[in-house]
Amino acid sequence: QKEVEQNSGPLSVPEGAIASLNCTYSDRGSQSFFWYRQYSGKSPELIMSIYSNGDKEDGRFTAQLNKASQYVSLLIRDSQPSDSATYLCAVTPQGGSEKLVFGKGTKLTVNP
Amino acid sequence: EAGVTQFPSHSVIEKGQTVTLRCDPISGHDNLYWYRRVMGKEIKFLLHFVKESKQDESGMPNNRFLAERTGGTYSTLKVQPAELEDSGVYFCASSQRSFNTGTGHSPLHFGNGTRLTVT
Repeated sequence: QKEVEQNSGPLSVPEGAIASLNCTYSDRGSQSFFWYRQYSGKSPELIMSIYSNGDKEDGRFTAQLNKASQYVSLLIRDSQPSDSATYLCAVTPQGGSEKLVFGKGTKLTVNP
Repeated sequence: EAGVTQFPSHSVIEKGQTVTLRCDPISGHDNLYWYRRVMGKEIKFLLHFVKESKQDESGMPNNRFLAERTGGTYSTLKVQPAELEDSGVYFCASSQRSFNTGTGHSPLHFGNGTRLTVT
């Protein structure tokens, strides 16, 4: 079983729609959860971090965490063409590790 | 503030040759990390420095890889001798303190990566 799983996509949504990105993880002791956005040829850029169950909102982005289901998601409201990128889910293993375990990423395309 | 800088951006070498990648973290960032993405795979952790000390090198693939951070500033990652399977994008990242504090106050910043192609 892969440690962090994401649908590779591509996920295509029209401009203005809600994009929903999903991620599951296998390590039940994982403590910290991150969403990174990566444009082609560029560095991964942190857009959201979440550490406790529930929702966390930041502008058009909402991260949702459900530790019982080992599931974390990212919602992007009012999607814009500039949101087109690969979105990477990353978690830290249990034990306060300093390493991130990444999923392969989901490629999102927002069509004008 | 300048971001994490990596040199070179691209490198093409032949199997058996040596390559050295360099990372300049954000000034004042004690924590420096190396990650690698092999084609078709996820980004994977290689190792973690705090200042000049290696804290965790559990992700280093084998002894052909050597990372250093003399003086606790920039870091180098040397691959010697390079093999075909070493091809990929090598990312460096830095943070001022631990990024895993549960507060989000010291986020991890990534560089644009070095694309290494071994032929």
